[in-house]
Amino acid sequence: QKEVEQNSGPLSVPEGAIASLNCTYSDRGSQSFFWYRQYSGKSPELIMSIYSNGDKEDGRFTAQLNKASQYVSLLIRDSQPSDSATYLCAVMANQAGTALIFGKGTTLSVSS
Amino acid sequence: EPEVTQTPSHQVTQMGQEVILRCVPISNHLYFYWYRQILGQKVEFLVSFYNNEISEKSEIFDDQFSVERPDGSNFTLKIRSTKLEDSAMYFCASSEARGYGYTFGSGTRLTVV
Repeated sequence: QKEVEQNSGPLSVPEGAIASLNCTYSDRGSQSFFWYRQYSGKSPELIMSIYSNGDKEDGRFTAQLNKASQYVSLLIRDSQPSDSATYLCAVMANQAGTALIFGKGTTLSVSS
Repeated sequence: EPEVTQTPSHQVTQMGQEVILRCVPISNHLYFYWYRQILGQKVEFLVSFYNNEISEKSEIFDDQFSVERPDGSNFTLKIRSTKLEDSAMYFCASSEARGYGYTFGSGTRLTVV
């Protein structure tokens, strides 16, 4: 059974701080990795994708991938109260397929 | 910005009844998906659809479920005989190509009573 693991949180950070969200996955053959944000009662929204080892930056967001350690992370710089949401790590588990396997998500709370 | 459209937003049905959930994926996307999320739980893969056929399905997607693309725009999920445990938010999603992230619709909340 392919698994994606995240700490459920809540992760609480003050406004302006860096929030660090982590994810591990079980399928060593996974090739594509995504971070989604989900506000309560809403659908997941894609915020970052990463495919190769290293860092990828997009505005205040940085995704980090380490395939050897089977580890993906998301850093949010200058956290804002509007960043308060559940962050879902998703992994495309099958090289021949397109199904995304999601973690349970980490709830982030940014206090002003 | 292009979006995935789902209807209805909320459906209440009696146990044993058939329901059809509808989706209009983004027009130039080639891959279509259904996911579900039971309240407080993770987003779970049901089925993927490409080139007018199912390309992958999960263990959840048993004989009670079926998908169809009846015309060039709609993508539907049918649950033949609903059970209480089918109550969940059902999300449709689409992607432009293999390996790309998905765009999700706003979901249909299915309540089976």
